[in-house]
Amino acid sequence: AIQMTQSPSSLSASVGDRVTITCRASQGIRNDLGWYQQKPGKAPKLLIYAASSLQSGVPSRFSGSGSGTDFTLTISSLQPEDFATYYCLQDYNYPLAFGQGTKVEIK
Amino acid sequence: QITLKESGPTLVKPTQTLTLTCTFSGFSLSTSGVGVGWIRQPPGKALEWLALIYWDDDKRYSPSLKSRLTITKDTSKNQVVLTMTNMDPVDTATYYCAHMVESWFDPWGQGTLVTVSS
Repeated sequence: AIQMTQSPSSLSASVGDRVTITCRASQGIRNDLGWYQQKPGKAPKLLIYAASSLQSGVPSRFSGSGSGTDFTLTISSLQPEDFATYYCLQDYNYPLAFGQGTKVEIK
Repeated sequence: QITLKESGPTLVKPTQTLTLTCTFSGFSLSTSGVGVGWIRQPPGKALEWLALIYWDDDKRYSPSLKSRLTITKDTSKNQVVLTMTNMDPVDTATYYCAHMVESWFDPWGQGTLVTVSS
């Protein structure tokens, strides 16, 4: 089974900061990776699919990159509503696998 | 607009079987390429994928839970049912169902918290 490793597990940042979260797959997964945002007490929301495609309605400050084993989610200018936990998900093969999450907190 | 909602017991006893229903609207599970998945999240922990059913009745399960899970669909009722046998306190979690198309879960239901306790 493919393992997904996210880093960091948490980070503190200020409004306006550029934030980068990484996800590494234990084997190549082409670009079969999505990024999800989860706010406390809420269901996850799809931000990025196919590694770099922005889901409709998601602000353009979110971007994704990478292919193969290394992937990045970038928030170009952190906004107050972006404080949340972010998860990557590989769907290259079964079993589907989430990363362990990255919590973005206010500095 | 696609919506999904999970329903089922909030409390189950150890060794019992959990049955959760996902009732959805805004799409049909008879449409090619469409699926519905189940994902859970123990309190304060990460998301874990459980199972997936596709429009053609193809079913996929997490290997670690496969022996305990069954996923079925009722296209006429717009429902997907997940059963999990032999529940244990470690299965306490919020259980989500989600619409899947082109490999991505979007949107998700609101989730339902299931507590396993005697």
